[in-house]
Amino acid sequence: EAGVAQSPRYKIIEKRQSVAFWCNPISGHATLYWYQQILGQGPKLLIQFQNNGVVDDSQLPKDRFSAERLKGVDSTLKIQPAKLEDSAVYLCASSLRTASSYNEQFFGPGTRLTVL
Amino acid sequence: AQSVTQLDSQVPVFEEAPVELRCNYSSSVSVYLFWYVQYPNQGLQLLLKYLSGSTLVKGINGFEAEFNKSQTSFHLRKPSVHISDTAEYFCAVSADSNYQLIWGAGTKLIIKP
Repeated sequence: EAGVAQSPRYKIIEKRQSVAFWCNPISGHATLYWYQQILGQGPKLLIQFQNNGVVDDSQLPKDRFSAERLKGVDSTLKIQPAKLEDSAVYLCASSLRTASSYNEQFFGPGTRLTVL
Repeated sequence: AQSVTQLDSQVPVFEEAPVELRCNYSSSVSVYLFWYVQYPNQGLQLLLKYLSGSTLVKGINGFEAEFNKSQTSFHLRKPSVHISDTAEYFCAVSADSNYQLIWGAGTKLIIKP
């Protein structure tokens, strides 16, 4: 079974530029998560989707970050414009569902973003 | 709200020696507890989890952890480490209200030959 796919693996941009990350979850997984992992810290949840609806985006900086999961499968996270403090690894994870019970989250390899 | 504290940012240990990575949490509700491992340039992989039942949980690669409710701890242990255990280890907690994961800052396990 294929795991969670993410691309690109690495990205270097100048501040104020835009960038987009792509995630394809494990087939059949209804829930998709985007996390931001700054060096030396644990992952921080940015947004959680259930199918193509947003469950929680309370920690997403909505003035510059946006995310979509239009058909309930793959997802795109965008930053526009980027700031120096956005330098981090962006992790995508998926799980079967979250409504009523624990389901293991499976993680992709991440995208390492460097903002210069 | 829940929070997780990993007391050590780095733990150096000699190969074949035992190791303990410490994790403490705070929560006003019942929680589930997890340890994840992150090898260099890879994603996070579940090592073990406590959902209910026996407080001693065994995971992959010879790791185990013990849930101590009175001390609000979930320390990770391995009796004999190998060079391949070099990685960063993250403790996480979730409540049964939304099952979202709250993460510690991670502990780097450094194996000395």
